[in-house]
Amino acid sequence: DAKTTQPNSMESNEEEPVHLPCNHSTISGTDYIHWYRQLPSQGPEYVIHGLTSNVNNRMASLAIAEDRKSSTLILHRATLRDAAVYYCILRDVAGGGSNYKLTFGKGTLLTVNP
Amino acid sequence: SAVISQKPSRDICQRGTSLTIQCQVDSQVTMMFWYRQQPGQSLTLIATANQGSEATYESGFVIDKFPISRPNLTFSTLTVSNMSPEDSSIYLCSVGTQLTGNTEAFFGQGTRLTVV
Repeated sequence: DAKTTQPNSMESNEEEPVHLPCNHSTISGTDYIHWYRQLPSQGPEYVIHGLTSNVNNRMASLAIAEDRKSSTLILHRATLRDAAVYYCILRDVAGGGSNYKLTFGKGTLLTVNP
Repeated sequence: SAVISQKPSRDICQRGTSLTIQCQVDSQVTMMFWYRQQPGQSLTLIATANQGSEATYESGFVIDKFPISRPNLTFSTLTVSNMSPEDSSIYLCSVGTQLTGNTEAFFGQGTRLTVV
């Protein structure tokens, strides 16, 4: 899997927007950009994914650069429950079922201040 | 979606012994994986559990140390054999419901293992 680069940590205040960046300069044309998060003492959970266009769901938005070499996960109003480690992961869909395995980097530890 | 139940949720084991972790899914799934998360670290894939055949191990992991079974589409076990304190980690089961890689993966809550 192509590699991603994320800041080790970020801090936000409750009810403010949070922009979590991810660089993936070696992304290939068949790589989808996935975001997962891991709350304390829990397994990772899916947040969002996209290919080229910006994506929105009930949890977050994903903004993808035009050249796809970077992306930003946007939490519109951070809550204390959003404090977690956020992982940006590239998944190549060209290889079939074997691409279900995820290669986790160190992720970004998000702290939300009340 | 898929709901995953892992057992046990935590255990403290003596070195030299073995522990078998169970992963039960509430629906048939195509892909099942086992990950390890060492203290303060990110997740590392151990192996892909294949139904009816031997698991596919990632570099650095071997069958003798981490034997895996997958008798059907909803259940898998991971055994941590001949444990040492270095095996103290969280072990997580993950599943995928479709063959296409462009859908979400689901994770269990993990098994927190401490070896003393």
